[in-house]
Amino acid sequence: AQSVTQLDSQVPVFEEAPVELRCNYSSSVSVYLFWYVQYPNQGLQLLLKYLSGSTLVESINGFEAEFNKSQTSFHLRKPSVHISDTAEYFCAVSSMDSNYQLIWGAGTKLIIKP
Amino acid sequence: KAGVTQTPRYLIKTRGQQVTLSCSPISGHRSVSWYQQTPGQGLQFLFEYFSETQRNKGNFPGRFSGRQFSNSRSEMNVSTLELGDSALYLCASSRIAGPEETQYFGPGTRLLVL
Repeated sequence: AQSVTQLDSQVPVFEEAPVELRCNYSSSVSVYLFWYVQYPNQGLQLLLKYLSGSTLVESINGFEAEFNKSQTSFHLRKPSVHISDTAEYFCAVSSMDSNYQLIWGAGTKLIIKP
Repeated sequence: KAGVTQTPRYLIKTRGQQVTLSCSPISGHRSVSWYQQTPGQGLQFLFEYFSETQRNKGNFPGRFSGRQFSNSRSEMNVSTLELGDSALYLCASSRIAGPEETQYFGPGTRLLVL
């Protein structure tokens, strides 16, 4: 069965420092990859997604993620975090293996230290 | 455009009771998915509806059911509530049902079962 692994449940980082949130998936077929963000007491919202084409995708607020097929990874990065980035980040995968339903990682809480 | 709305936002029930949660998708969206979010299990897919038909169902007992109306509004029902049903229930809508579609989430209904 398809699975998504977010190895870090929490990532503390100082403000203005770079951050990487890791996501690995298991699938033997073509995948669609997503990062969603959940701010405190809110629903989830899409941060960025990879469907096809360029393996590097970017969001409007400075995050980027790179699809690495050989490593089956889709890590999320930001070169300089802000206090407003405090949130929980979820990686999700969709493919034929899951009948195209989103399979979710456990989430990573990004904690920004002032 | 108004976002996805869910009612009620908070609910307290006792074991054995039943509950109905409502979701109004973004105007023009025809696909609605439901998720259960708990600290222990994370995000788990319940079911997806498209044009009043259930397209996919997650691995939940038959106590969990749903339906979609002709205006794309959706309801989910949980009968014979158990303590373990305490969770945040999230509804998400998308234009159509498809693996590449962005899902837009509502703020959720927080259910507490006593």
